[in-house]
Amino acid sequence: KQEVTQIPAALSVPEGENLVLNCSFTDSAIYNLQWFRQDPGKGLTSLLLIQSSQREQTSGRLNASLDKSSGRSTLYIAASQPGDSATYLCAVINDYKLSFGAGTTVTVRA
Amino acid sequence: NAGVTQTPKFQVLKTGQSMTLQCAQDMNHNSMYWYRQDPGMGLRLIYYSASEGTTDKGEVPNGYNVSRLNKREFSLRLESAAPSQTSVYFCASILQILNTEAFFGQGTRLTVV
Repeated sequence: KQEVTQIPAALSVPEGENLVLNCSFTDSAIYNLQWFRQDPGKGLTSLLLIQSSQREQTSGRLNASLDKSSGRSTLYIAASQPGDSATYLCAVINDYKLSFGAGTTVTVRA
Repeated sequence: NAGVTQTPKFQVLKTGQSMTLQCAQDMNHNSMYWYRQDPGMGLRLIYYSASEGTTDKGEVPNGYNVSRLNKREFSLRLESAAPSQTSVYFCASILQILNTEAFFGQGTRLTVV
């Protein structure tokens, strides 16, 4: 059974600081890994998808890396803003299923 | 383009009542999913449909049934609601599992009293 862990569970940083969010998974036979953002009381918004053959994916201030062999992904958010405050979830996709970590709740202080 | 639409958004049930949560996607996606989200437990897979005509159990299927009515629609039924089924339910869909991203609906907040 795929186990996905996200560390830390919560993070509070001042505006402008870079964010580093970690995701680890136990079964490296994944198809893809996807990072999501969830605002309180809302659904999940896709941020980045990294295919298993890729090492990195970038979108604006967001950069995600994937090391499949060690079962790890990292999401970097550059120059954080108060609007980045949310819960960030990673999901690994294998065997037709998405398995989620519990998320990292980020607070960016103005 | 509406994406993934869930109805209703909120529902309160009494213990023992039944109801069906509806999910529809307009992106011609092949695979569809039902998750529940509980505080401290993350998102857990209830059932999924890899393609039209197939359904499979996920991590927490007990107390639920599903129907993949057609390619667009995937419904989740609670036959006899229990307080333990109080949760936020999310539907998701994917075009191709190998290399495309998943999209989620806005969720249904269900309370069983």
